[in-house]
Amino acid sequence: NAGVTQTPKFQVLKTGQSMTLQCAQDMNHEYMSWYRQDPGMGLRLIHYSVGAGITDQGEVPNGYNVSRSTTEDFPLRLLSAAPSQTSVYFCASSYLAVLAEKNNEQFFGPGTRLTVL
Amino acid sequence: AQKITQTQPGMFVQEKEAVTLDCTYDTSDPSYGLFWYKQPSSGEMIFLIYQGSYDQQNATEGRYSLNFQKARKSANLVISASQLGDSAMYFCAISRSAAGNKLTFGGGTRVLVKP
Repeated sequence: NAGVTQTPKFQVLKTGQSMTLQCAQDMNHEYMSWYRQDPGMGLRLIHYSVGAGITDQGEVPNGYNVSRSTTEDFPLRLLSAAPSQTSVYFCASSYLAVLAEKNNEQFFGPGTRLTVL
Repeated sequence: AQKITQTQPGMFVQEKEAVTLDCTYDTSDPSYGLFWYKQPSSGEMIFLIYQGSYDQQNATEGRYSLNFQKARKSANLVISASQLGDSAMYFCAISRSAAGNKLTFGGGTRVLVKP
């Protein structure tokens, strides 16, 4: 049981390049999400998915695309990297909670540290 | 919109003592969940404790407890008997009633445990 895995761990891009951050989970979780963490700050939601074929925007979606073709995988695509996208990216998954009252603990991957020059 | 405020950017605590980390929130949702996560220097996010807005009792998980004051919209984390391994960033987060999985995080508090 690997939990949530992310690849790569580190990446350096030049401005304008595109790339895909990979995320996979083996817990059969319906809900998956991507967050970014800028230095000294909390996490901000980029995109999320409540199941295969269903995605939606979070708080800071501009410059990123996602798709969810399977339950297990939720890749994040940077279309044209910019220095402002230098950050640590976390993927997370959980069972789908209809109500916030339920403890829908989110399991986080180890993160991808991205630097855009 | 929801908002989480953690007013303590950094704290020192002596080993074996207790420490309280402040978290206040702003939401108009009738039901919500509050979470605390720990982020050590290695970077991973570790779930610590959860409190539902309708829970009558304060949540506890081992050395972690939550001082939940709904009327004051605060959910302070108490770590008892601090250990050197407790040195980390701590984040408070809130989930929305209409989308129970979407989390809004505070800016975090850095705790350094002194031997």
